[in-house]
Amino acid sequence: DIVMTQSPDSLAVSLGETVTINCKSSQTLLYASNNKNYLAWYQQKPGQPPNLIIYWASTREFGVPDRFSGSGSVTDFTLTINNLQAEDVAVYYCHQYYLTPFTFGPGTGVHL
Amino acid sequence: QVQLQESGPGLVKPSETLSLTCTVSGGSISNYYWNWVRQPAEKELEWLGRIYTNRKVVTHYNPSLESRLTMSVDTSMNQVSLKLYSLSAADTAVYYCARSRDDVNVFDFWGQGTRVTVSS
Repeated sequence: DIVMTQSPDSLAVSLGETVTINCKSSQTLLYASNNKNYLAWYQQKPGQPPNLIIYWASTREFGVPDRFSGSGSVTDFTLTINNLQAEDVAVYYCHQYYLTPFTFGPGTGVHL
Repeated sequence: QVQLQESGPGLVKPSETLSLTCTVSGGSISNYYWNWVRQPAEKELEWLGRIYTNRKVVTHYNPSLESRLTMSVDTSMNQVSLKLYSLSAADTAVYYCARSRDDVNVFDFWGQGTRVTVSS
C-alpha cells in the first residue's frame, strides 16, 4: 500500500495568516503517460464528511475559494491556505488515488 | 445535486455481520464508482472498496478487508450496499459512502455518514 504522511500534525494560526501543510507519499504519484499527480486534498469540519478541495495536486474543485492552492509533484506535496478565514478551521487530509487501495494521510488540524 | 444517504444499524454485536445501504438521489447510479470509506472516532480515513456499474458490475476491495467484505448495487432502487462479516470492536467507525468518477478517482460527493458501534 502507498503510505501517506503529513506534517505538521496540527497548527495554531491567526486569522489572515498563511497556512502550509505538507504531504509525502511512500512512492511516486506522478503518472508518466499523462504527467498528472494523483493527489487530492480534503477538508473535514467536525461532524461533517470530508469535502474535496484540490485534485490532480493543484486543481481546485468547483466552488473552492482561490485562497486554497495545491502544489508539488512525485512524492512531495503542499496545501497552502492564504489569508486564513474562521471557516477554514478544520482537519485537512491528503489522499492518493494512484493505486488501490486508495489511502489517506493522517490529517492536519488547523485551529485558531 | 447528487445526494447520498447511508443507513444501517447503529449497534452490532461482535462476530455478527454489518449491512449498510447508500441511497443515491439526484443522479444516476450508473457510470460512477461508489466507494465506502470509514473513519474511527475522527481519526484516519480508510478506504474499504468501491463498486461500479454500467452493463456489468465491477468491484475493487481493500485487500486488508477483502475476505470479510461484499459490495452490491441495485440500480432499480439507486442503492449500493455493503456487508462486512465477522465484526470486531476494531470495526467501530463512521461509515461513509462517496462517489467518484471514472476519469478522476477522487470523492466528489459524500453522504453524511452512519455511526456503527460494535459491542456486546
